[in-house]
Amino acid sequence: DIRLTQSPASLSASVGDRVTITCRASQGIIKSLAWYQQRPGRAPKLLLSGASKLESGVPSTFSGGGSGTDFTLTISSLQPDDSATYFCQQYYGVPLTLGGGTRVEI
Amino acid sequence: QVSLVESGGGVVQSGMSLTLSCTASGFGFSYSGMHWVRHAPGKGLEWVAEISFDENKKFYMDSVKGRFIVSRDNSGNTLYLQMNSLRLGDTGIYYCVKGGGYYPRQYFESWGQGTLVTVSS
Repeated sequence: DIRLTQSPASLSASVGDRVTITCRASQGIIKSLAWYQQRPGRAPKLLLSGASKLESGVPSTFSGGGSGTDFTLTISSLQPDDSATYFCQQYYGVPLTLGGGTRVEI
Repeated sequence: QVSLVESGGGVVQSGMSLTLSCTASGFGFSYSGMHWVRHAPGKGLEWVAEISFDENKKFYMDSVKGRFIVSRDNSGNTLYLQMNSLRLGDTGIYYCVKGGGYYPRQYFESWGQGTLVTVSS
């Protein structure tokens, strides 16, 4: 199974800050990586697929990068609405697996 | 607009069975790979099972193989998860998810609101 390790597990930042979350895969997954946002009490929401393709309706303050084993999710200017837990997911192989999550506090 | 509405969750004793349903609308359900993903209390998200558009392919996470069965009714736009021999570790919110990209290696494109399953001793 492909393991995904996210870091940090949690972070606290201020409105307007630039924030970067990393996701490392236990083996190469080319660009088969997605990122999700989950606000408290809500269902997760897809932010990006293909490591860097922004979903329709997602603010352009979100961006993704990386390939192979190392990936990043960047929020260029943190907004109050961005307070949530962020997960990465690989779809290079089955079983599909997700990272442990990064809690972002404003 | 994609809509996925889960039902069937509840409190059940360890060893018993429960069947979840997910009613889909707003997209071509009969052409879509579908997934169940769960969120256990205090833990991260876990992919549980998936099913191809024609039910020909099904995959499960190791800990539910032989206990859970995923199925679908394309005429009724409904996805199911039959959960047998339930364990305490199966407790969590179960989400019905529409797959994106190419089956079986998909990302989770659209999510339902989830249904809570609590397994008690």
